[in-house]
Amino acid sequence: RKEVEQDPGPFNVPEGATVAFNCTYSNSASQSFFWYRQDCRKEPKLLMSVYSSGNEDGRFTAQLNRASQYISLLIRDSKLSDSATYLCVMDTGRRALTFGSGTRLQVQP
Amino acid sequence: GAVVSQHPSWVICKSGTSVKIECRSLDFQATTMFWYRQFPKQSLMLMATSNEGSKATYEQGVEKDKFLINHASLTLSTLTVTSAHPEDSSFYICSARVTGVDGYTFGSGTRLTVV
Repeated sequence: RKEVEQDPGPFNVPEGATVAFNCTYSNSASQSFFWYRQDCRKEPKLLMSVYSSGNEDGRFTAQLNRASQYISLLIRDSKLSDSATYLCVMDTGRRALTFGSGTRLQVQP
Repeated sequence: GAVVSQHPSWVICKSGTSVKIECRSLDFQATTMFWYRQFPKQSLMLMATSNEGSKATYEQGVEKDKFLINHASLTLSTLTVTSAHPEDSSFYICSARVTGVDGYTFGSGTRLTVV
């Protein structure tokens, strides 16, 4: 079983739509969680950290559920520029980050 | 903010040749650099962890004699793909943890194509 599982998508949504991604993880020792965004042929860039209390940054909301071992990302009012692959990432504190394979989002005009 | 400069951005080489990829930390010291590889439509997979002044730690299944890592200073880590073959064609990317910053800082990646 993969340490981090994500639906690969693609999610094709119209501009203005609200879209949600989920990610499940198997390592209960994971300490920190992040959502990264990766554009085609580019390096991943940190979108936001994820906390149990939930956190919001503009149109983006992230949530962590430790009991069920999943994290989520909600994007409201989707823009064309949101089209990218969204990576679910965790840090167990022992070594490098562990990445999910990503969920591809395509926002259409 | 903290930046990791990675070069080259892309390289095409012939089978059997070696390719060196450099990652430099700008404005901060990276005692540890992580090297990842990403095949198309797959996740980033950790290859090895380089530590300044000591031997790198390789992940299971990664050949240390093929992927040579050198971390001779606090600002420079290099990955050399030796005797490259077409199956080594991939996106290679380095990353460092920056104190006081959430997450990690990534280099811009190197797209290697072996023909």
